[in-house]
Amino acid sequence: DAGVTQSPTHLIKTRGQQVTLRCSPKSGHDTVSWYQQALGQGPQFIFQYYEEEERQRGNFPDRFSGHQFPNYSSELNVNALLLGDSALYLCASSLSRGYNEQFFGPGTRLTVL
Amino acid sequence: QKEVEQNSGPLSVPEGAIASLNCTYSDRGSQSFFWYRQYSGKSPELIMSIYSNGDKEDGRFTAQLNKASQYVSLLIRDSQPSDSATYLCAVGSYSGGGADGLTFGKGTHLIIQP
Repeated sequence: DAGVTQSPTHLIKTRGQQVTLRCSPKSGHDTVSWYQQALGQGPQFIFQYYEEEERQRGNFPDRFSGHQFPNYSSELNVNALLLGDSALYLCASSLSRGYNEQFFGPGTRLTVL
Repeated sequence: QKEVEQNSGPLSVPEGAIASLNCTYSDRGSQSFFWYRQYSGKSPELIMSIYSNGDKEDGRFTAQLNKASQYVSLLIRDSQPSDSATYLCAVGSYSGGGADGLTFGKGTHLIIQP
């Protein structure tokens, strides 16, 4: 049973650039949530996708956008990168109808120089 | 603003003892509660979920929930050095017919001393 996968593992960008991160959910899951985890902090909720639409959004600016595809995989896009965007980006998958157990992928470590 | 509070630690516990981790949350409407374990440089791993008041046991782990006090705890019995990690408390709710994104605490760093 394939778990949650993310790509790439690591990424280095410069300020002002744009980045796209990818996530494939656990088999059978239909909901994808994205989180940002800064060093020494807990994950912060960015947004959640269900049925190819953004269902809920956390306190993140519009520079952060996403997409969900018919196969439930998802992308996170960040425009106009800032130094403060350096973090571990985590994708979590879950079932829309259920107990909201969210399972995380390995994450993408983004460094903005 | 939903908040989840945890003591950042480090919490040092001798091998074989019981480790007790605590968490409080601000949103009384919260309905789902989770403990994740995160090793350094890795992603969070779900180890316990609890939805109703009382205790829930799974192997060496026991989660305790008290909604009136807005308090969640995790007990780890017979602590092992491999339990050394950061433990994240997460809280969720439901809206619009679906489950919401989780609100996490900053985590408690647990060290099991051999």
